[in-house]
Amino acid sequence: RKEVEQDPGPFNVPEGATVAFNCTYSNSASQSFFWYRQDCRKEPKLLMSVYSSGNEDGRFTAQLNRASQYISLLIRDSKLSDSATYLCVVSSGSARQLTFGSGTQLTVLP
Amino acid sequence: EAGVTQSPTHLIKTRGQQATLRCSPISGHTSVYWYQQALGLGLQFLLWYDEGEERNRGNFPPRFSGRQFPNYSSELNVNALELEDSALYLCASSLSPGTRYGYTFGSGTRLTVV
Repeated sequence: RKEVEQDPGPFNVPEGATVAFNCTYSNSASQSFFWYRQDCRKEPKLLMSVYSSGNEDGRFTAQLNRASQYISLLIRDSKLSDSATYLCVVSSGSARQLTFGSGTQLTVLP
Repeated sequence: EAGVTQSPTHLIKTRGQQATLRCSPISGHTSVYWYQQALGLGLQFLLWYDEGEERNRGNFPPRFSGRQFPNYSSELNVNALELEDSALYLCASSLSPGTRYGYTFGSGTRLTVV
């Protein structure tokens, strides 16, 4: 079983749609959680951290369920510029090393 | 503030040769991480250096090696290159191990083995 699992997609949604991505992780002792965004042939960039109480950054909302070992990302009012691969990332161990999911591909269509 | 810088941006080598990739972390960051991303695939962890020491390595053969210098910059060496080594190699840095703030990535070195 992979440490971090994501639905690879692709998700193709029209502009203005709401889309949700899910992620599960296997290590119950994981400490920190993130969503990264990676554009085609570019480096991953931190989108947002994920907190236990849930957090929002503009059109983006992240949720964490430690009991179910589940993380989600909700994007509202999708823009063409949201098209990218979204990586679920978990830190574990005494060194809090990051483990990356394989990503979910999103294409927002005009 | 300069971000993570990697060089070269592109590298073309023939099978059997050696490749050296370089990374300079963000000023003040002591940890450097190397990842391989083959086309269409996810990030595969290669190596982690902190304070000049190798702290962890991923499931890669010994021909993948590296080091970290006193100024915290790092290089990744790949010996006896194989065609399957063609990939984007990403370097990331963090303020310290155990950071709550994730990693910052460089823009990568695209290695092509022919």
